[in-house]
Amino acid sequence: NAGVTQTPKFQVLKTGQSMTLQCAQDMNHEYMSWYRQDPGMGLRLIHYSVGAGITDQGEVPNGYNVSRSTTEDFPLRLLSAAPSQTSVYFCASSLGPPMNTEAFFGQGTRLTVV
Amino acid sequence: AQTVTQSQPEMSVQEAETVTLSCTYDTSESNYYLFWYKQPPSRQMILVIRQEAYKQQNATENRFSVNFQKAAKSFSLKISDSQLGDTAMYFCAFAPRDDKIIFGKGTRLHILP
Repeated sequence: NAGVTQTPKFQVLKTGQSMTLQCAQDMNHEYMSWYRQDPGMGLRLIHYSVGAGITDQGEVPNGYNVSRSTTEDFPLRLLSAAPSQTSVYFCASSLGPPMNTEAFFGQGTRLTVV
Repeated sequence: AQTVTQSQPEMSVQEAETVTLSCTYDTSESNYYLFWYKQPPSRQMILVIRQEAYKQQNATENRFSVNFQKAAKSFSLKISDSQLGDTAMYFCAFAPRDDKIIFGKGTRLHILP
């Protein structure tokens, strides 16, 4: 049972480059989210989705795009990477609203923008 | 704004001791969930314990228990008989009625041999 799979685990980008962080879950979860973790800041919500075709912004959405074409996948796109986007990124999924069901997290992607 | 505050950035205790991590939150909601997540050096986020706001009884999971004070908006985590494997970053989190989880900034806990 794979759970929530994030790829890649590590990535170095140059300023201005674009890339997509992949997130896939095999638990048929409706809810998926992207967080970034910075030292001293905890986890902050970037974007989230309550089902295929539905996405919404979280606390820190600027510079990131998401789409949810399938239940399984929720990719996060960095359009033009900036050093301020250096962070650890986590994808999470849950069967229902986080209020009612346990959220499962991927292993994280450590992104460095130089 | 709904916020979660963890006032202890870092703590250290001896193995086998009991330690309490503090958490307060701010919300106008009456129904919500509270969580404690553990993040060991492996970076994996692990759910430690969960509390429903409308349940007055404090949640317990083996050596982990919470002290939930709804009126004070306080949700502390007690770890009894601490073990070296408890060394980790601990995040307090809060899920109100909408579809989000709000995290605190974390407390780094060191269990010393």
